[in-house]
Amino acid sequence: DGGITQSPKYLFRKEGQNVTLSCEQNLNHDAMYWYRQDPGQGLRLIYYSQIVNDFQKGDIAEGYSVSREKKESFPLTVTSAQKNPTAFYLCASSGRVELQETQYFGPGTRLLVL
Amino acid sequence: AQTVTQSQPEMSVQEAETVTLSCTYDTSESNYYLFWYKQPPSRQMILVIRQEAYKQQNATENRFSVNFQKAAKSFSLKISDSQLGDTAMYFCAFMKSLAGGTSYGKLTFGQGTILTVHP
Repeated sequence: DGGITQSPKYLFRKEGQNVTLSCEQNLNHDAMYWYRQDPGQGLRLIYYSQIVNDFQKGDIAEGYSVSREKKESFPLTVTSAQKNPTAFYLCASSGRVELQETQYFGPGTRLLVL
Repeated sequence: AQTVTQSQPEMSVQEAETVTLSCTYDTSESNYYLFWYKQPPSRQMILVIRQEAYKQQNATENRFSVNFQKAAKSFSLKISDSQLGDTAMYFCAFMKSLAGGTSYGKLTFGQGTILTVHP
């Protein structure tokens, strides 16, 4: 089945630790995105990537890093510099076919700080 | 910068009835897209409906339709024959159109409206 997968579903981070959230898509989409959702709020863009080996900062990139070595994969690292990382993280992708502007989302990862 | 406002934090409706969720946005762009996404308790974001700003005709998808008023910068969602499975948080989102066929677009989301459908 075509879709977007995120892992793990839940992730716990200790103080000072870097953690990496996985996002994979088999939709052959060019663009991929990472959003953060805090309780009772909308989504805010962290990073996005239009093509392999290229990515841009979104509105709240501080304390996060990404890579895009493969078209299918766009992992997000939450670094120790992110002082308030507890949130729900959503990955999305969009492609060059009909409805190319439409973003489709993965199931999300909930990150909690111990 | 674009902003999206959803003025109804919570709404409720009886099963089989109709409900309308409000959304207004502020932009200086003339070409853009508007979306409604649904986030049920599972937290999966699901696309409900999509509207291109250059189209005057309102988008419809089965029981879901929009009332797009470009001059007023309003984009409301109407859900007809509400079902228990419609219970979710609904987000309105804005995306500026890009030239050149690129597939990238930044989504700006509203704060969401929690919709509860009662049996």
